[in-house]
Amino acid sequence: ETGVTQSPTHLIKTRGQQVTLRCSSQSGHNTVSWYQQALGQGPQFIFQYYREEENGRGNFPPRFSGLQFPNYSSELNVNALELDDSALYLCASTKQMNTEAFFGQGTRLTVV
Amino acid sequence: AQSVTQLGSHVSVSEGALVLLRCNYSSSVPPYLFWYVQYPNQGLQLLLKYTTGATLVKGINGFEAEFKKSETSFHLTKPSAHMSDAAEYFCAVMPSGNNAGNMLTFGGGTRLMVKP
Repeated sequence: ETGVTQSPTHLIKTRGQQVTLRCSSQSGHNTVSWYQQALGQGPQFIFQYYREEENGRGNFPPRFSGLQFPNYSSELNVNALELDDSALYLCASTKQMNTEAFFGQGTRLTVV
Repeated sequence: AQSVTQLGSHVSVSEGALVLLRCNYSSSVPPYLFWYVQYPNQGLQLLLKYTTGATLVKGINGFEAEFKKSETSFHLTKPSAHMSDAAEYFCAVMPSGNNAGNMLTFGGGTRLMVKP
């Protein structure tokens, strides 16, 4: 059983640019959630996807958007990057109606 | 809205000593409760969870936690700290009930340091 994998592991972007982060969910998991973890803080929920549709959203602006594909993998897109977007972005997958979320290693985004 | 408070952003214990990490939550109905551990430059690993049933739950690596509804607490304990326990620990809550989604709300984290 493969775990949750995220790519890339690190990247550096310039303010105003756009970025796409990718996540492959654990085998058999159909729900993917994204979290932003700023340095020294707990993760904050961005949004969740189930059956290719957004199924819940946290307090993040519309420039944070996502996709889920038929194979349940997911993308997180952030437009018009700001310095405060610098963080570790975590992807978590779950089976439907299951409470246990499995997290990937995260993507460390640095905006300069 | 749900919220989680972890008292003490840093906790230092000696190897072999008791570990106690505190977590209090705020929720209109009792939520599901979780403890995650995060090692440097890694994702989150589930230590234990409480959904229903016995209020004392045991997790991996010798950790356990007790759900106390009257105190809205879910403190994490381990009888004897090991050097390998040094990490960041996060308490989290999830809305309970069907169709509530499984979005987690995390506390700010507690960094556990273990002295030799």
